[in-house]
Amino acid sequence: DAEITQSPRHKITETGRQVTLACHQTWNHNNMFWYRQDLGHGLRLIHYSYGVQDTNKGEVSDGYSVSRSNTEDLPLTLESAASSQTSVYFCASSEGSGTAYEQYFGPGTRLTVT
Amino acid sequence: GQNIDQPTEMTATEGAIVQINCTYQTSGFNGLFWYQQHAGEAPTFLSYNVLDGLEEKGRFSSFLSRSKGYSYLLLKELQMKDSASYLCAVRENNNDMRFGAGTRLTVKP
Repeated sequence: DAEITQSPRHKITETGRQVTLACHQTWNHNNMFWYRQDLGHGLRLIHYSYGVQDTNKGEVSDGYSVSRSNTEDLPLTLESAASSQTSVYFCASSEGSGTAYEQYFGPGTRLTVT
Repeated sequence: GQNIDQPTEMTATEGAIVQINCTYQTSGFNGLFWYQQHAGEAPTFLSYNVLDGLEEKGRFSSFLSRSKGYSYLLLKELQMKDSASYLCAVRENNNDMRFGAGTRLTVKP
């Protein structure tokens, strides 16, 4: 069965370190997204991609970067981790560019920056 | 930008009906989604509205009024497993999707 996976599921890192969170989907979806979820804020869009070599900034992109070298993967990098980036991170994907397509979410990565 | 407002918490009784409201402001509306999220899990898709009116899917229905910037999710015959957070999300014309903070529903026996 097609799926979307994230790794690691839990990560503790120190302030200032570079961290990369992996996201892999086997649906062959063109669109992929990264969100963070914090209490009281809901899901906030960090970066998204509509295809290979395409990346776009979302609402809260400062301190984060992504790259899309193939259809299946969209890794999220925290250049220099900060305590404010402690959060739960969700990756999502959707089919095509039509507006009716819902997003499928990965299981999430809980990141703690100490 | 846009604001998406929904109640923080609601409580209802097993077997009852509950309505979760969502109001939004957007510069270019291009669809409204409802997601369910159980504690510690990923959101899962429930419904999609782009035209005014009611969309029914089993025990769940979703309503949209674009002129009022208003939607609701209606859950019928509540079950204990419906205890979860319900997220309202609006897609704009540039395909950006923004989520509300979510409504935590507790179903009691």
